[in-house]
Amino acid sequence: DIQMTQSPSSLSASVGDRVTITCRASQSINNYLHWYQQKPGKAPELLIYGASSLPSEVPSRFRGSGSGADYTLVISSLQPDDFATYYCQQAYRPPWTFGQGTKVELK
Amino acid sequence: QVQLVQSGSELKRPGASVKVSCKTSGYTFTDYGINWVRQAPGQGLEWLARINTYTGNSTYAQAFTGRFVLSLDTSVRTTFLQITSLKAEDTAVYYCARESVFRSGSYYFDSWGQGTLVTVSS
Repeated sequence: DIQMTQSPSSLSASVGDRVTITCRASQSINNYLHWYQQKPGKAPELLIYGASSLPSEVPSRFRGSGSGADYTLVISSLQPDDFATYYCQQAYRPPWTFGQGTKVELK
Repeated sequence: QVQLVQSGSELKRPGASVKVSCKTSGYTFTDYGINWVRQAPGQGLEWLARINTYTGNSTYAQAFTGRFVLSLDTSVRTTFLQITSLKAEDTAVYYCARESVFRSGSYYFDSWGQGTLVTVSS
């Protein structure tokens, strides 16, 4: 199975901060990488697909990038609604696997 | 709009079975596969299986073969996850999620059910 490792596991930030989360796969996954946001007690929601594509309803302060085995999620200016846990997911080879999550908390 | 609505929470004894449903609306049911994802208390997301809603064929992660079975009823646009011989470690929230495809085969989950908590306890 392809292992997905996110860093950091958690971070504390303030409203307006720039936040960067990284996701590393155990092998190259050819941009078959997606990001989800999950708030406490809620289902995950799609944030970015295909490493860098935003669904129409996702604010433009979210940006995804990367290639090969290394990917990044950037929140350019953290908003109160963004405090949540973020997961990456590889779709290169089944079984689909997720990173362990990055919890973004209020400093 | 696209909606996936799951059945309610379940409390089961070890050894029992449970069947969780995921009813869809707002799109052509057989055009999109349905996946199931598990989240144990305080833990991350774990992909369990998917079902092709056109053919009915299912694919399972290795850890979920045997006691976990997906099925569907196309007439009511619903997929089901049945878990048999329940164990305490099956206690988790189970999510269904619709899959979409990006380019050539990059499957992602664009709509999710609200989740069903299954608690296994004596």
